[in-house]
Amino acid sequence: AQSVSQHNHHVILSEAASLELGCNYSYGGTVNLFWYVQYPGQHLQLLLKYFSGDPLVKGIKGFEAEFIKSKFSFNLRKPSVQWSDTAEYFCAVKDNDMRFGAGTRLTVKP
Amino acid sequence: GAVVSQHPSRVICKSGTSVKIECRSLDFQATTMFWYRQFPKKSLMLMATSNEGSKATYEQGVEKDKFLINHASLTLSTLTVTSAHPEDSSFYICSATPTGGALFYGYTFGSGTRLTVV
Repeated sequence: AQSVSQHNHHVILSEAASLELGCNYSYGGTVNLFWYVQYPGQHLQLLLKYFSGDPLVKGIKGFEAEFIKSKFSFNLRKPSVQWSDTAEYFCAVKDNDMRFGAGTRLTVKP
Repeated sequence: GAVVSQHPSRVICKSGTSVKIECRSLDFQATTMFWYRQFPKKSLMLMATSNEGSKATYEQGVEKDKFLINHASLTLSTLTVTSAHPEDSSFYICSATPTGGALFYGYTFGSGTRLTVV
């Protein structure tokens, strides 16, 4: 069965620092890839998704992710984080079912 | 568009009672809805896939007699936690995607239900 790994459990950054959150998956076939964000007290929201085409995907709020097929990775990046980016971030992979990573908690210090 | 409403947002129940959680797609039809459980400091766990007009498909290890799923219409799926116990306390989330629209939409999630069994 496919699995999704998010290696960083908790990341703490200062405002304006650059962010990269890792996501690796195990499935070798065609997959759809997603990043979701869950702000404190709120429900999950879609940040960005990749189905095909340009492997560099741009999402909302200045986030982007790059699909590297050879590395089975879909890392999330943001050049300059803000305090309001403090949230939990989930990587997800879908073939027939949707599988989520364990999540990475991002804390941005003002 | 693509709004999913989940109700209730919080529920506290006594051990041994049953609790029903509703998941509605407000502005689209969803042949398939998904139910997840979110454990503290752990990943979202897919519990079951709810299919309109047919039996739900449960993930391994999820008790189908305990977590009853009914998907009676294209806009409503319900999850009933029967004979709830404290270990069932958790955050339950549903998600749906427009029928035929899975290629163009991420899955839309409900706001979740915090179940506390006392």
